[in-house]
Amino acid sequence: DVVMTQSPLSLPVTLGQPASISCRSSQSLVYSDGSTYLHWFQQRPGQSPRRLIYKVSNRDSGVPDRFSGSGSGTDFTLKISRVEAEDVGVYYCMQGTHWPPAFGQGTKVEIK
Amino acid sequence: QVQLQESGPGLVRPSQTLSLTCTVSGGSISSDNHYWSWIRQHPGKGLESIGYIYYSGSTYYNPSLKSRVTISVDTSKNQFSLKLTSVTAADTAVYYCARDYSTPKTGWSYGMDVWGQGTTVIVSS
Repeated sequence: DVVMTQSPLSLPVTLGQPASISCRSSQSLVYSDGSTYLHWFQQRPGQSPRRLIYKVSNRDSGVPDRFSGSGSGTDFTLKISRVEAEDVGVYYCMQGTHWPPAFGQGTKVEIK
Repeated sequence: QVQLQESGPGLVRPSQTLSLTCTVSGGSISSDNHYWSWIRQHPGKGLESIGYIYYSGSTYYNPSLKSRVTISVDTSKNQFSLKLTSVTAADTAVYYCARDYSTPKTGWSYGMDVWGQGTTVIVSS
Protein backbone atom coordinates (compact mmCIF):
# COMPACT_ATOMS: atom_id res chain seq x y z
CA ASP A 1 0.00 0.00 0.00
CA VAL A 2 1.05 3.61 -0.56
CA VAL A 3 2.36 5.41 2.50
CA MET A 4 1.77 9.14 2.88
CA THR A 5 4.23 11.11 5.01
CA GLN A 6 3.55 14.67 6.09
CA SER A 7 5.91 17.22 7.57
CA PRO A 8 6.01 18.94 9.85
CA LEU A 9 3.57 17.23 12.21
CA SER A 10 3.19 20.45 14.17
CA LEU A 11 3.30 23.93 12.70
CA PRO A 12 3.10 27.00 14.93
CA VAL A 13 2.44 30.06 12.81
CA THR A 14 1.96 33.77 13.34
CA LEU A 15 -1.31 35.30 12.24
CA GLY A 16 -0.94 36.88 8.83
CA GLN A 17 2.17 34.89 8.00
CA PRO A 18 2.41 32.10 5.41
CA ALA A 19 2.40 28.40 6.22
CA SER A 20 3.47 25.40 4.21
CA ILE A 21 2.83 21.69 4.71
CA SER A 22 4.65 18.96 2.83
CA CYS A 23 3.24 15.59 1.82
CA ARG A 24 5.27 12.81 0.26
CA SER A 25 4.04 9.51 -1.11
CA SER A 26 5.93 6.23 -1.28
CA GLN A 27 4.91 5.83 -4.93
CA SER A 28 4.17 8.19 -7.77
CA LEU A 29 0.59 9.43 -7.64
CA VAL A 30 0.24 9.88 -11.38
CA TYR A 31 -2.62 7.70 -12.55
CA SER A 32 -2.74 5.99 -15.94
CA ASP A 33 -5.10 8.71 -17.17
CA GLY A 34 -2.40 11.33 -16.48
CA SER A 35 -4.18 12.83 -13.48
CA THR A 36 -2.78 12.97 -9.99
CA TYR A 37 -5.27 12.11 -7.25
CA LEU A 38 -3.77 13.91 -4.29
CA HIS A 39 -6.17 15.75 -2.03
CA TRP A 40 -6.03 17.91 1.09
CA PHE A 41 -8.42 17.97 4.03
CA GLN A 42 -8.85 20.37 6.92
CA GLN A 43 -10.20 19.35 10.31
CA ARG A 44 -10.95 22.23 12.63
CA PRO A 45 -11.16 21.47 16.36
CA GLY A 46 -14.33 19.58 17.18
CA GLN A 47 -15.43 19.35 13.57
CA SER A 48 -15.56 16.73 10.87
CA PRO A 49 -12.86 16.86 8.21
CA ARG A 50 -13.67 18.70 5.02
CA ARG A 51 -11.95 18.49 1.68
CA LEU A 52 -10.10 21.67 0.78
CA ILE A 53 -8.30 20.75 -2.40
CA TYR A 54 -8.67 17.87 -4.84
CA LYS A 55 -6.34 16.63 -7.55
CA VAL A 56 -3.34 18.60 -6.27
CA SER A 57 -4.50 22.14 -6.87
CA ASN A 58 -8.28 22.45 -7.28
CA ARG A 59 -9.99 24.26 -4.44
CA ASP A 60 -13.36 23.01 -3.28
CA SER A 61 -16.31 25.37 -3.31
CA GLY A 62 -16.12 27.96 -0.56
CA VAL A 63 -12.42 27.45 0.16
CA PRO A 64 -10.60 30.79 0.45
CA ASP A 65 -8.01 31.51 -2.19
CA ARG A 66 -5.32 31.87 0.46
CA PHE A 67 -5.18 28.06 0.30
CA SER A 68 -3.24 26.59 -2.61
CA GLY A 69 -1.92 23.19 -3.51
CA SER A 70 0.97 22.23 -5.72
CA GLY A 71 3.31 19.40 -6.51
CA SER A 72 3.76 16.40 -8.73
CA GLY A 73 4.83 12.78 -8.68
CA THR A 74 5.56 12.05 -5.05
CA ASP A 75 6.01 15.52 -3.53
CA PHE A 76 3.16 17.86 -2.74
CA THR A 77 2.62 21.05 -0.78
CA LEU A 78 -0.31 22.84 0.79
CA LYS A 79 0.28 26.54 1.31
CA ILE A 80 -1.68 29.10 3.28
CA SER A 81 -0.64 32.53 2.07
CA ARG A 82 -1.69 34.41 5.21
CA VAL A 83 -2.83 32.36 8.17
CA GLU A 84 -6.05 33.41 9.86
CA ALA A 85 -7.40 32.30 13.22
CA GLU A 86 -10.01 30.08 11.55
CA ASP A 87 -7.25 28.07 9.87
CA VAL A 88 -6.27 26.41 13.15
CA GLY A 89 -6.70 22.67 12.96
CA VAL A 90 -5.20 19.54 11.49
CA TYR A 91 -4.50 19.16 7.79
CA TYR A 92 -4.33 15.79 6.06
CA CYS A 93 -3.18 14.84 2.62
CA MET A 94 -4.76 11.82 1.01
CA GLN A 95 -3.85 9.86 -2.07
CA GLY A 96 -6.57 8.44 -4.29
CA THR A 97 -4.42 7.13 -7.13
CA HIS A 98 -3.70 3.68 -5.76
CA TRP A 99 -6.36 1.55 -4.11
CA PRO A 100 -6.89 1.74 -1.18
CA PRO A 101 -6.85 5.50 -0.66
CA ALA A 102 -4.61 6.55 2.21
CA PHE A 103 -4.28 9.55 4.51
CA GLY A 104 -1.14 11.17 5.83
CA GLN A 105 -0.63 11.42 9.60
CA GLY A 106 -1.87 14.98 9.76
CA THR A 107 -0.20 18.33 10.46
CA LYS A 108 -1.46 20.39 13.35
CA VAL A 109 -1.51 24.11 12.62
CA GLU A 110 -1.66 26.36 15.64
CA ILE A 111 -1.19 30.05 16.29
CA LYS A 112 2.01 31.14 18.03
CA GLN B 1 -27.28 18.95 -1.06
CA VAL B 2 -26.32 15.54 0.23
CA GLN B 3 -26.06 15.16 3.97
CA LEU B 4 -24.96 12.20 6.05
CA GLN B 5 -25.96 11.36 9.61
CA GLU B 6 -24.46 8.63 11.76
CA SER B 7 -26.55 6.90 14.41
CA GLY B 8 -26.01 4.14 16.92
CA PRO B 9 -25.07 3.40 20.52
CA GLY B 10 -22.45 5.60 22.10
CA LEU B 11 -21.40 2.90 24.54
CA VAL B 12 -20.52 -0.68 23.67
CA ARG B 13 -19.37 -3.39 26.05
CA PRO B 14 -16.06 -5.12 25.38
CA SER B 15 -16.32 -8.25 23.21
CA GLN B 16 -19.68 -7.12 21.84
CA THR B 17 -20.55 -5.80 18.39
CA LEU B 18 -20.47 -2.13 17.47
CA SER B 19 -23.28 -1.25 15.07
CA LEU B 20 -23.66 2.10 13.34
CA THR B 21 -25.89 3.35 10.56
CA CYS B 22 -25.37 6.24 8.19
CA THR B 23 -28.47 7.82 6.68
CA VAL B 24 -28.08 9.64 3.39
CA SER B 25 -30.40 12.56 2.73
CA GLY B 26 -30.67 14.99 -0.16
CA GLY B 27 -29.44 12.42 -2.65
CA SER B 28 -29.51 8.75 -3.53
CA ILE B 29 -27.20 6.14 -2.13
CA SER B 30 -27.62 4.37 -5.46
CA SER B 31 -25.32 6.84 -7.14
CA ASP B 32 -23.26 5.42 -9.97
CA ASN B 33 -20.38 7.71 -9.04
CA HIS B 34 -19.84 7.18 -5.35
CA TYR B 35 -18.47 4.82 -2.79
CA TRP B 36 -19.78 5.22 0.75
CA SER B 37 -17.20 4.91 3.48
CA TRP B 38 -16.60 4.56 7.19
CA ILE B 39 -13.63 6.29 8.79
CA ARG B 40 -12.68 6.47 12.42
CA GLN B 41 -10.50 8.71 14.52
CA HIS B 42 -9.04 7.57 17.81
CA PRO B 43 -8.84 10.27 20.49
CA GLY B 44 -6.23 12.82 19.49
CA LYS B 45 -5.14 10.77 16.49
CA GLY B 46 -5.41 10.79 12.72
CA LEU B 47 -7.95 9.40 10.29
CA GLU B 48 -8.22 5.65 9.76
CA SER B 49 -10.21 4.23 6.88
CA ILE B 50 -12.42 1.30 7.90
CA GLY B 51 -13.96 0.42 4.57
CA TYR B 52 -16.08 1.28 1.57
CA ILE B 53 -19.30 0.07 0.00
CA TYR B 54 -20.87 0.70 -3.40
CA TYR B 55 -24.63 0.62 -3.79
CA SER B 56 -24.32 -2.72 -5.60
CA GLY B 57 -22.86 -4.21 -2.43
CA SER B 58 -19.25 -4.24 -3.55
CA THR B 59 -17.01 -3.63 -0.55
CA TYR B 60 -13.44 -2.94 0.45
CA TYR B 61 -12.22 -3.37 4.00
CA ASN B 62 -9.06 -2.16 5.70
CA PRO B 63 -6.96 -5.35 6.04
CA SER B 64 -6.18 -4.53 9.66
CA LEU B 65 -9.90 -4.69 10.51
CA LYS B 66 -11.17 -7.03 7.82
CA SER B 67 -11.73 -10.03 10.07
CA ARG B 68 -14.09 -8.02 12.31
CA VAL B 69 -15.82 -5.62 9.90
CA THR B 70 -18.96 -5.86 7.83
CA ILE B 71 -20.33 -2.93 5.85
CA SER B 72 -23.74 -3.30 4.26
CA VAL B 73 -26.11 -1.12 2.26
CA ASP B 74 -29.89 -0.77 2.28
CA THR B 75 -30.86 1.14 -0.83
CA SER B 76 -34.55 1.12 0.12
CA LYS B 77 -33.75 3.11 3.25
CA ASN B 78 -30.91 5.13 1.72
CA GLN B 79 -28.62 3.87 4.47
CA PHE B 80 -25.40 2.00 4.90
CA SER B 81 -24.18 0.34 8.04
CA LEU B 82 -21.08 -0.71 9.91
CA LYS B 83 -20.68 -3.72 12.16
CA LEU B 84 -17.48 -4.26 14.09
CA THR B 85 -17.32 -7.41 16.16
CA SER B 86 -15.35 -8.34 19.28
CA VAL B 87 -14.64 -4.74 20.22
CA THR B 88 -12.05 -3.68 22.76
CA ALA B 89 -11.07 -0.36 24.28
CA ALA B 90 -8.86 0.15 21.22
CA ASP B 91 -12.03 0.60 19.16
CA THR B 92 -13.02 3.68 21.16
CA ALA B 93 -13.12 6.45 18.56
CA VAL B 94 -15.19 8.95 16.66
CA TYR B 95 -16.75 7.17 13.72
CA TYR B 96 -17.52 9.10 10.54
CA CYS B 97 -19.43 8.12 7.47
CA ALA B 98 -18.52 9.86 4.24
CA ARG B 99 -19.11 9.90 0.50
CA ASP B 100 -16.21 9.30 -1.84
CA TYR B 101 -16.26 10.15 -5.55
CA SER B 102 -15.02 6.79 -6.71
CA THR B 103 -16.48 3.51 -7.94
CA PRO B 104 -15.37 -0.12 -8.24
CA LYS B 105 -14.60 0.54 -11.90
CA THR B 106 -12.62 3.76 -11.73
CA GLY B 107 -9.60 2.74 -9.67
CA TRP B 108 -9.09 6.31 -8.47
CA SER B 109 -10.64 8.36 -5.69
CA TYR B 110 -11.37 12.05 -5.42
CA GLY B 111 -11.54 11.72 -1.67
CA MET B 112 -14.47 12.28 0.63
CA ASP B 113 -16.45 15.35 -0.35
CA VAL B 114 -19.32 14.88 2.11
CA TRP B 115 -18.90 13.85 5.74
CA GLY B 116 -21.24 13.11 8.58
CA GLN B 117 -20.83 14.95 11.86
CA GLY B 118 -19.28 11.90 13.47
CA THR B 119 -20.44 9.82 16.40
CA THR B 120 -18.38 8.97 19.46
CA VAL B 121 -18.28 5.33 20.44
CA ILE B 122 -16.79 4.32 23.77
CA VAL B 123 -15.98 0.72 24.50
CA SER B 124 -16.21 0.12 28.21
CA SER B 125 -17.77 -2.20 30.71
